[in-house]
Amino acid sequence: AQKVTQAQTEISVVEKEDVTLDCVYETRDTTYYLFWYKQPPSGELVFLIRRNSFDEQNEISGRYSWNFQKSTSSFNFTITASQVVDSAVYFCALVNSGYSTLTFGKGTMLLVSP
Amino acid sequence: NAGVTQTPKFRVLKTGQSMTLLCAQDMNHEYMYWYRQDPGMGLRLIHYSVGEGTTAKGEVPDGYNVSRLKKQNFLLGLESAAPSQTSVYFCASSQGTSGVFYNEQFFGPGTRLTVL
Repeated sequence: AQKVTQAQTEISVVEKEDVTLDCVYETRDTTYYLFWYKQPPSGELVFLIRRNSFDEQNEISGRYSWNFQKSTSSFNFTITASQVVDSAVYFCALVNSGYSTLTFGKGTMLLVSP
Repeated sequence: NAGVTQTPKFRVLKTGQSMTLLCAQDMNHEYMYWYRQDPGMGLRLIHYSVGEGTTAKGEVPDGYNVSRLKKQNFLLGLESAAPSQTSVYFCASSQGTSGVFYNEQFFGPGTRLTVL
């Protein structure tokens, strides 16, 4: 069985603060993919990143960065200099090599206030 | 391109009624998915399809049926709605260049269903 845990239910920050969203996963497979999706208030989920289990390089895209650590089974997401438009629910997800299912975490709601 | 569209956007049903949710995508994607989203539960996969004429069960398939008669459409049916099926339903699609679930999924805007 596989599992994705996003322990932070809700995070509130003030604009320009840095914020890290945690994602911890469980899987018995050695080959798997991890994802982050963003769900803004409009409701439609938007893909942010995919990472496979053999690529532990950190990724940076503008103000977004991702830290993948197999040793701690974590795939954390950091937003630098947060903005009000970053307010959304963020989901971490996992699919194993047998691609039998895609498991989502329960999501972290990020509120960025001006 | 419209991407992924869902019809209807909102619906209220009485217990025992039936309805069909329609999902359409214009990206020529092979794979399509239906999810439900409930407060505090994240997204859970109901059914998915790896191609026209094929369907498979996801994590929470009970009470739902699906059909993929055309590549661009994926229908989700509720034969006898129950209050437990009150939820927001999302359809998604992805390319068929890798295994199912591996690729980026494109989501529709959702359908908010209330069963009284």
